Amino acid sequence: ILNVEQSPQSLHVQEGDSTNFTCSFPSSNFYALHWYRWETAKSPEALFVMTLNGDEKKKGRISATLNTKEGYSYLYIKGSQPEDSATYLCAPRDTGNQFYFGTGTSLTVIP
Amino acid sequence: DAGVTQSPTHLIKTRGQQVTLRCSPISGHKSVSWYQQVLGQGPQFIFQYYEKEERGRGNFPDRFSARQFPNYSSELNVNALLLGDSALYLCASQTGGTIPDTQYFGPGTRLTVL
Repeated sequence: ILNVEQSPQSLHVQEGDSTNFTCSFPSSNFYALHWYRWETAKSPEALFVMTLNGDEKKKGRISATLNTKEGYSYLYIKGSQPEDSATYLCAPRDTGNQFYFGTGTSLTVIP
Repeated sequence: DAGVTQSPTHLIKTRGQQVTLRCSPISGHKSVSWYQQVLGQGPQFIFQYYEKEERGRGNFPDRFSARQFPNYSSELNVNALLLGDSALYLCASQTGGTIPDTQYFGPGTRLTVL
């Protein structure tokens, strides 16, 4: 069982602020790292899949980086908007094809 | 294209009963995974099926079982329900190929055990 840690647990930022979260995981048996965004009363929405050390992905104002050697990934949101308010989950995936979800970072963007 | 669908949306059962949850994957997806999400925690992996074969199993008791049908839909069964089984059960589908592909989640089934 992978021990996945996400920090911070929750975050309140002002509209327009940029922010970032961390996902830490054991680097052994690593296969891929998934980021999801989960809004209340909706399904988790896939943001990124990353596999290679040094991978960087970008989708609009959101981007992510991956370090498989030290076992961490960062998610960045530039110029936060109220619609970015959600819980952001990371899920490392091992070579046995199992996903291990962290408890998430709850982001609230204050207008 | 329709997304992942799950039924029922909500369910109330009593301790000791059995429950069956259903999931239909996105068309073309051959892999289905089941997760249990308890408030305050991330989703916990229960099962993954690919082409009707179990591909992975999480750390859940034998009271939990699942199967996948020829049309790739899936059922999750839980026997002898306990209060602690109350949770949101999520189904996710993916193509199931060898490349690291994205999982797409359904809306979940909220199970309450009284």
